[in-house]
Amino acid sequence: NAGVMQNPRHLVRRRGQEARLRCSPMKGHSHVYWYRQLPEEGLKFMVYLQKENIIDESGMPKERFSAEFPKEGPSILRIQQVVRGDSAAYFCASSGGSGGSYEQYFGPGTRLTVT
Amino acid sequence: GIQVEQSPPDLILQEGANSTLRCNFSDSVNNLQWFHQNPWGQLINLFYIPSGTKQNGRLSATTVATERYSLLYISSSQTTDSGVYFCAVTSGTYKYIFGTGTRLKVLA
Repeated sequence: NAGVMQNPRHLVRRRGQEARLRCSPMKGHSHVYWYRQLPEEGLKFMVYLQKENIIDESGMPKERFSAEFPKEGPSILRIQQVVRGDSAAYFCASSGGSGGSYEQYFGPGTRLTVT
Repeated sequence: GIQVEQSPPDLILQEGANSTLRCNFSDSVNNLQWFHQNPWGQLINLFYIPSGTKQNGRLSATTVATERYSLLYISSSQTTDSGVYFCAVTSGTYKYIFGTGTRLKVLA
C-alpha cells in the first residue's frame, strides 16, 4: 500500500521563477492537505482540498500561491514568482476524511530552495 | 486559535534511558497525533490518540483530553530515536496545529 508521494523531493528555483510541487495521496484517500515548514519550526497549515474543490485555503498567502486537486492526477501546489522567503519544506498529507479517520499521513516533502 | 506547547524543547539522553515528552493544548481537541521527524526530515506517524492510551513497542502515549495534555513515553531509547517529536491537534476543524516540537538526541 503506497504511502503519500511527493515530487520532486528537491527543487531549486531562481527568484521570479515558478515552482510546481506535486502530491499523490494514499490509495483510498480523497482529502489532501498542504503544510509548510520553515527551518527549525513546526509545520503550518496552508490549504485543504478534496477532488476538484478547495475546502479551506486560510493558510495560503494571498498572492502568488495556488493549489488544485483535479479529478484525475495529483494535487499541485503552485508558487509563482518565487522569492527567497519561499524557501522551505512543503509537506503534503492525506486522510480518509469525513466518514473515515482524520488521521493524516505525510509525504516525504519537497524542499524548495530559492536562489 | 488553539495553542500547542511542547516540553522540554530539547532533550539529550544516553542510549537505554527512558523519557517522557509532554504536549499541552489550550482548548478541547477532536484529533491528536504524535509524529517523529527523523534527521532526514521525514515525518513518521507514531500515534493517533485523541484520548486514552496506546502502546507500540518501546513507545506509548496517553492523552487526557479533559485536562488538555498528552504524553509520549519512549523507553530504552536508541540512537535511531533521535530527531524532533511533534504533537499536532485539531480543534473543531481538520487543520492540524503543530507544536514547536521536542528535539531529542540519543547518544551511543
